[in-house]
Amino acid sequence: DGGITQSPKYLFRKEGQNVTLSCEQNLNHDAMYWYRQDPGQGLRLIYYSQIVNDFQKGDIAEGYSVSREKKESFPLTVTSAQKNPTAFYLCASSHMGAGGNYGYTFGSGTRLTVV
Amino acid sequence: GEDVEQSLFLSVREGDSSVINCTYTDSSSTYLYWYKQEPGAGLQLLTYIFSNMDMKQDQRLTVLLNKKDKHLSLRIADTQTGDSAIYFCAEGGYQKVTFGTGTKLQVIP
Repeated sequence: DGGITQSPKYLFRKEGQNVTLSCEQNLNHDAMYWYRQDPGQGLRLIYYSQIVNDFQKGDIAEGYSVSREKKESFPLTVTSAQKNPTAFYLCASSHMGAGGNYGYTFGSGTRLTVV
Repeated sequence: GEDVEQSLFLSVREGDSSVINCTYTDSSSTYLYWYKQEPGAGLQLLTYIFSNMDMKQDQRLTVLLNKKDKHLSLRIADTQTGDSAIYFCAEGGYQKVTFGTGTKLQVIP
């Protein structure tokens, strides 16, 4: 079955530590995205990529980094520079048609907690 | 910039219709979307409407778009307890999609 897989489901980070969240898709989608979700808030865009080896900052990129070495994979690193990293992180992918974006497929999320 | 607003909470009785409303600001949006999120899970795309359409129906779901007022609504007919979730409205063009803060739908048996 095609889909998008995020791992791990739960992640605990010590202060000052970098951690990497995995996101893999087998939908052959060109575009991939990382969002952060905080309680009672909508989704905020961290980074997105529309093609391999290229990515753009979203609205809240500070303290995060990404890579897109393969079409299927878009890992997110939460660095020690991110001062408030506790949140639910969602990865998504989409097919980009001539008319626009036909909607995202989301992973099941990674809940990151700073301990 | 883009902004999408929704009311935070809606409570309905099982079997009634639910109507979730949304307003957006970007008139250049090509598509408007509705997503559903169950507790602890990712978002699931329910439906989308192209900006030149007024209405789209898909089984129990009806989407209405008033482009002049930049107002989008999602009607769920015969609401069931399994419809309890957070519903997100979103608008987008080619590159980015902007999400609302979500409406929590509570279905009372």
